[in-house]
Amino acid sequence: GAVVSQHPSWVICKSGTSVKIECRSLDFQATTMFWYRQFPKQSLMLMATSNEGSKATYEQGVEKDKFLINHASLTLSTLTVTSAHPEDSSFYICSARGVGEQYFGPGTRLTVT
Amino acid sequence: AQSVTQLGSHVSVSEGALVLLRCNYSSSVPPYLFWYVQYPNQGLQLLLKYTTGATLVKGINGFEAEFKKSETSFHLTKPSAHMSDAAEYFCAVSEASNTGKLIFGQGTTLQVKP
Repeated sequence: GAVVSQHPSWVICKSGTSVKIECRSLDFQATTMFWYRQFPKQSLMLMATSNEGSKATYEQGVEKDKFLINHASLTLSTLTVTSAHPEDSSFYICSARGVGEQYFGPGTRLTVT
Repeated sequence: AQSVTQLGSHVSVSEGALVLLRCNYSSSVPPYLFWYVQYPNQGLQLLLKYTTGATLVKGINGFEAEFKKSETSFHLTKPSAHMSDAAEYFCAVSEASNTGKLIFGQGTTLQVKP
């Protein structure tokens, strides 16, 4: 099946710094990528939808200036958490959709100290 | 707006017993319905999905689910639980236009006892 990778798999950063998470579709072209956030023992909450070459569409309540999403190519989308705070600590999961199925990445664990 | 409700945040079964995970949905348009499994610190793996056609859907690892429009349900079952089935299970819905945008339920933790 199709593979979606995320990098890094886990990251620890200090409060006030920014961190970038990459999501790559390894063997297919993803016209659409989605970014989710998952708190411990909770469900996935859609943060934003990104289409290649256009601005991301953010869900209600998600700060677009804080969570910067770039989908510059058909195989790469990035999520940058700017000026991170401890409450941004979470598990971030991306998914990529080409023709048909949607495939999920393994997730990135972000801890802000 | 669409929504998903999973009844029971935690289900415990004995190895070899029937697994039943409940999912009810709300949608004003024909839905696509999904079940995903998540192992600790990993992403999601698709178990099965319903789009159109046959309402009984068979998935991987012996799981199946039945779409019941009259009950707005999409319950997940497996005749005989295996220890390796212990994981978090999520039911999700998307619009039939298949934009790809998924709305997830709260998740159900399946525990399998030896």
